[in-house]
Amino acid sequence: AQSVTQPDIHITVSEGASLELRCNYSYGATPYLFWYVQSPGQGLQLLLKYFSGDTLVQGIKGFEAEFKRSQSSFNLRKPSVHWSDAAEYFCAVEDTGRRALTFGSGTRLQVQP
Amino acid sequence: GAVVSQHPSRVICKSGTSVKIECRSLDFQATTMFWYRQFPKQSLMLMATSNEGSKATYEQGVEKDKFLINHASLTLSTLTVTSAHPEDSSFYICSARLWQSNTEAFFGQGTRLTVV
Repeated sequence: AQSVTQPDIHITVSEGASLELRCNYSYGATPYLFWYVQSPGQGLQLLLKYFSGDTLVQGIKGFEAEFKRSQSSFNLRKPSVHWSDAAEYFCAVEDTGRRALTFGSGTRLQVQP
Repeated sequence: GAVVSQHPSRVICKSGTSVKIECRSLDFQATTMFWYRQFPKQSLMLMATSNEGSKATYEQGVEKDKFLINHASLTLSTLTVTSAHPEDSSFYICSARLWQSNTEAFFGQGTRLTVV
C-alpha cells in the first residue's frame, strides 16, 4: 500500500525567508503527487500536482516542488514566505487504481514577523 | 478550478440522532466522490469511495451501517452519520473527481460535526 511521510510536524520561519517542506512517498508505480494547503477549519486547496514530465513543478502562490524518483521525494519550496502562508500543508499520493489520495500527516507552518 | 460545495459547514447534534452531510460538484460531473475524516491536528483518512449509481466502497474499519453514503447523481453525494455518538465528532471532508485521469481532486470546505 502507498504511504506518505512528512517528517516535519511543525516549522517556523521568518517572513521573507525561504521554505522547504519535506515529503517522502512509497508507491509501487509512477506516482501522482500533490501538495494541498489547509487553513484552520477549512477544506483543502491544491497548490500543485505532478503527473509526469518535468520534475520541477510550479504551483500557485509562488510555490514549487521537485519530484526526485531516486529519493522518493516531492519537497515543496518557496523562495520568500509571506505571513499569509501560515497554514497546514499536506502532501498526498494518488492510488491511480482507485483514484483516492493518501495523505501525509501534515506540516504546520508558522510565519514570524 | 472546479467547485465542490459541502453543507452544512458546522452541525451540532445530540447523541443517538442522525446527521446528513451533502457534497455537491457545482460545475462538473463527478463520477467518483470520496469521503475523508480528519481528527484535530491529524491528517485526512479515507472513509469511503462513492461511485455514482453503485454502492460505496468502505475502507477497513469504517462501519458502513453507521456511515451511510449515497451517490444518487453525478453531482451529489451524501454522508449520513447514523445514531451519532460523541466519538463521531470530527471534521468530515468530501472530494470529487472528474472521470478523466491526470486531473486533481477538488475538495469541499468540510463539515465540523459535534455530537453532544
